[in-house]
Amino acid sequence: SQTIHQWPATLVQPVGSPLSLECTVEGTSNPNLYWYRQAAGRGLQLLFYSVGIGQISSEVPQNLSASRPQDRQFILSSKKLLLSDSGFYLCAWSVRRGFYGYTFGSGTRLTVV
Amino acid sequence: QKEVEQNSGPLSVPEGAIASLNCTYSDRVSQSFFWYRQYSGKSPELIMSIYSNGDKEDGRFTAQLNKASQYVSLLIRDSQPSDSATYLCAVSTDPGGFKTIFGAGTRLFVKA
Repeated sequence: SQTIHQWPATLVQPVGSPLSLECTVEGTSNPNLYWYRQAAGRGLQLLFYSVGIGQISSEVPQNLSASRPQDRQFILSSKKLLLSDSGFYLCAWSVRRGFYGYTFGSGTRLTVV
Repeated sequence: QKEVEQNSGPLSVPEGAIASLNCTYSDRVSQSFFWYRQYSGKSPELIMSIYSNGDKEDGRFTAQLNKASQYVSLLIRDSQPSDSATYLCAVSTDPGGFKTIFGAGTRLFVKA
């Protein structure tokens, strides 16, 4: 069966510090991968998606970046965090062909102080 | 601006009752529709998907889609306290899931 791992679960970082969140998927090949952010009381916002190694599409211009160094690994990064980067970050995967919904990781709750 | 609208709630129903959750969307080219359940502090979990007009049943859950009226609903029969959560409606306009818009969610509270 397929599983998705995301870490860390919680993170408190000072303004201006770097960020690295990692996500890995097991039990499937060539998944589509996504990073979402959920702000309090708001809907999920798609940040990045990837259809393959090194292929990243950005949906929202900001100080975040994403990379996919391996087929089942997706990394979200920032060089300098802003207060507005606080939120619940979710990695998700879907099958390559067709779309039948997302499977989300357990999420990272990021608080920038 | 493409939108997905949900009543934020909370929707409160007694145990054993039917909970009815509604969602409207603005983009007429929307192709696929999903309901996710999100417990407090947890990540969303896919519970239903629907792609064509009509009803789709899965256990105690029924999803209903009306493309002409641009709404999708979720019915939960025999509601249990464990159903208390936020329910997110999601609408996709492309076959790859890259253009998916989520509603802000409806909080459901099932009273024992």
